[in-house]
This record gives sequence, C-alpha cells and structure tokens, in this order.
Amino acid sequence: GNSVTQMEGPVTLSEEAFLTINCTYTATGYPSLFWYVQYPGEGLQLLLKATKADDKGSNKGFEATYRKETTSFHLEKGSVQVSDSAVYFCALSGSGQGAQKLVFGQGTRLTINP
Amino acid sequence: NAGVMQNPRHLVRRRGQEARLRCSPMKGHSHVYWYRQLPEEGLKFMVYLQKENIIDESGMPKERFSAEFPKEGPSILRIQQVVRGDSAAYFCASATGPPENIQYFGAGTRLSVL
Repeated sequence: GNSVTQMEGPVTLSEEAFLTINCTYTATGYPSLFWYVQYPGEGLQLLLKATKADDKGSNKGFEATYRKETTSFHLEKGSVQVSDSAVYFCALSGSGQGAQKLVFGQGTRLTINP
Repeated sequence: NAGVMQNPRHLVRRRGQEARLRCSPMKGHSHVYWYRQLPEEGLKFMVYLQKENIIDESGMPKERFSAEFPKEGPSILRIQQVVRGDSAAYFCASATGPPENIQYFGAGTRLSVL
C-alpha cells in the first residue's frame, strides 16, 4: 500500500537558518503530494502541494519539488523564523474513486530559537 | 466562508460511555474524511463519506466505531463503549471531491477517556 516516510525529529534550528525536512514516499500510480503544518492545539493547515512530477509547490517561503525518480518531496526554506515552529506533515493521496484519502508521514516537530 | 467546524473541541468520557463527535464541512463541500491522531504520531485515515454514503471505511475499527453523513446536518463519528485506547485527537476534513483533491481540516476534537 501507499506510505510516507519523513525524517525523524525533533529539529531545532536558529532563526534565519536553512531548513530541510526530508520526505519520501511509496505509491502506485501518480499520487498528489502535500505538506501540512500543525500549530499547537490546532488542526492541520495545507502549506503546499504538487500534483505531478517536477511540479514545485511553494508558499510562505517554503518550497518542495515532486521528484518521481527519487520518490521524494523534501520541504525547504531558506531562512526560518520563530513563527515557523510547528509540526510538519508530509502526505500523499492517490487518484481514482475512493483513493483520495491522505496517507501521512509521522510528522516532524520543528523548533526555531531566536 | 466558515471553515470546517468540529465540536466539541474537548470531550471527556469514562470507560464504557459513548462519544459523539460532530463535523460540519465547509460550505459547498460534500466529501468528509475522519482521521485519528494518537499522541506524537501522524494522522491515520478512518473513514471517507459523501452525503448519505460511506465510500471507504477501511481505516475504521470493526467494532464500536460508526460514522454517518446525513443529507441534512453534520457528519457524526460515534464511538460506543469507549476504552482508554480511544483517547486521541480526531480530525475531520472536507473537500469538494475529484478532480480537486485538497482537504481542509477542522481544529479537531480531543477525546480523553478516564
């Protein structure tokens, strides 16, 4: 079945550091890929998405490129801020009837220190 | 346009009681998904419903759990005879359906079983 593997956390960085959170996936067909962010006590918010190979999703300075050859969707940001502290989830969904359920990675807790 | 509304936000039940979790999707959304998040883990799919139909319940425990999404009113996730292992955060997401495949999440219901 489909699965997502994220780099284990927690990750602690200083403000303005470069961020990479690795995400690889296993799926049949051509899944869509997502990054969601969860702030303390809240639900998940969609951060960015990509629906086909070589697509780049971007939002709020975050970027991720759909790499089919390496089955990866790594999240990057050039200069993190304290407000980026949250838990980040990589996820995929399949295609076709009934395949839209999201399969999540285990999440990566990110803490940014001033 | 209000987002996905879940209530209650926090629910405390004693072992053996029933828990009812409600989810009102975003306006115009007829697809609802329920996920469960255990502490320090990612979200796990439970059930996918469209109005009056269960499309995929492959992630739902066979016993004690049921879900519905009636023609009128919110979607309900019902857990009968709760046990301590049911303590978790339960998230609902709604979507317009294919081909658009973005799911929008509510803030969740945190169930504690004493």
